[in-house]
Amino acid sequence: AQSVTQLGSHVSVSEGALVLLRCNYSSSVPPYLFWYVQYPNQGLQLLLKYTSAATLVKGINGFEAEFKKSETSFHLTKPSAHMSDAAEYFCAVSRNYGGATNKLIFGTGTLLAVQP
Amino acid sequence: DAGVTQSPTHLIKTRGQQVTLRCSPKSGHDTVSWYQQALGQGPQFIFQYYEEEERQRGNFPDRFSGHQFPNYSSELNVNALLLGDSALYLCASSLVAGVNTGELFFGEGSRLTVL
Repeated sequence: AQSVTQLGSHVSVSEGALVLLRCNYSSSVPPYLFWYVQYPNQGLQLLLKYTSAATLVKGINGFEAEFKKSETSFHLTKPSAHMSDAAEYFCAVSRNYGGATNKLIFGTGTLLAVQP
Repeated sequence: DAGVTQSPTHLIKTRGQQVTLRCSPKSGHDTVSWYQQALGQGPQFIFQYYEEEERQRGNFPDRFSGHQFPNYSSELNVNALLLGDSALYLCASSLVAGVNTGELFFGEGSRLTVL
């Protein structure tokens, strides 16, 4: 079965500091991996995705993530935090069924606070 | 271009009642998925509809049912509501190929409170 584990339910950083949100996955087959962001009272928005192309993936708003098969990790980073980055971030995994319908399995989320 | 729209945004029900939530997908999308997000948790997959059929289902009881209409819009029905059904219900739409690559577009959700 596939799953993701997000380490740290709450992360607090200062404005301008590095953001690092951790995600480890479990999958018996090559996975697709995603980071979604959820702002208060809103739905989820796709930040970036890994679908077996380049292992370093760049997303929106300056975020990027690196797929490391040896560590089964897909950590999300941003060099310099903005106040507007304060939100909840979800890592998700799906399985490449090669054309069939699919579903996302989400982690429990990490709430990012950015201090002025 | 309207995104995914859900209604109602908030509703309160009592135990044992039934509820229907509605979703209109993003223009051009043909696949609708429903997720339940309990407080402090990540979204959990309920089911997915494509071509008016349920294509895949998560670990939810039969009290949860759905429908997709010819215009691709969808409904989620929950019967015999329990306190534990209180959650944010998210609808996500995509093209069927986009589901495989995680290109889901989420609505803002319907927050259900069961008293």
